[in-house]
Amino acid sequence: DGGITQSPKYLFRKEGQNVTLSCEQNLNHDAMYWYRQDPGQGLRLIYYSQIVNDFQKGDIAEGYSVSREKKESFPLTVTSAQKNPTAFYLCASSIDPGYRAYNEQFFGPGTRLTVL
Amino acid sequence: AQSVTQLDSHVSVSEGTPVLLRCNYSSSYSPSLFWYVQHPNKGLQLLLKYTSAATLVKGINGFEAEFKKSETSFHLTKPSAHMSDAAEYFCVVSSRSGGSYIPTFGRGTSLIVHP
Repeated sequence: DGGITQSPKYLFRKEGQNVTLSCEQNLNHDAMYWYRQDPGQGLRLIYYSQIVNDFQKGDIAEGYSVSREKKESFPLTVTSAQKNPTAFYLCASSIDPGYRAYNEQFFGPGTRLTVL
Repeated sequence: AQSVTQLDSHVSVSEGTPVLLRCNYSSSYSPSLFWYVQHPNKGLQLLLKYTSAATLVKGINGFEAEFKKSETSFHLTKPSAHMSDAAEYFCVVSSRSGGSYIPTFGRGTSLIVHP
């Protein structure tokens, strides 16, 4: 089956700890994205990557870091610098690195992070 | 700059009645527009997309949307709501920003379907 997997589904973290969320895709897509979702605020872009070994900050990158060492993987680290990390995190991919407007995104099932 | 406004945060309908979810957009260039659906604690799924071909776009599960350039709107409709349609719906605009296309999401509309 082709698709995007995110793990874990639920994650609990103590204040002051870094935590890494996994995102893997086997769709051979060039672009990958991380979004944060809070109630009533829609999806806000954290980071995106259009090609391996390259990534750009989105609208709310502070307190987060990413890497793109392989085409199929785009892990997100939530650092202790993120003051309010409790949220639902969604990973997405798109076949095109952003050269065409009409390519849709494919989403993973999400990871719910709770800070204790 | 591009933006998208979903005019209602919640829409409540009875099963079997029509659904209308409203979306207005702002874009400097000719946009591509999308509607996605999200069921609770799940990822998003594409319902339909507009890419400058036909202005009336048909999607999955009986949904359709009409692109109206003069009104800068892309409203989502369905003739008859089903209980399984209860979910969060997102309108998305993708247009050129700098050297590439980055999607911009609306805040979402929660569709509530009463029996």
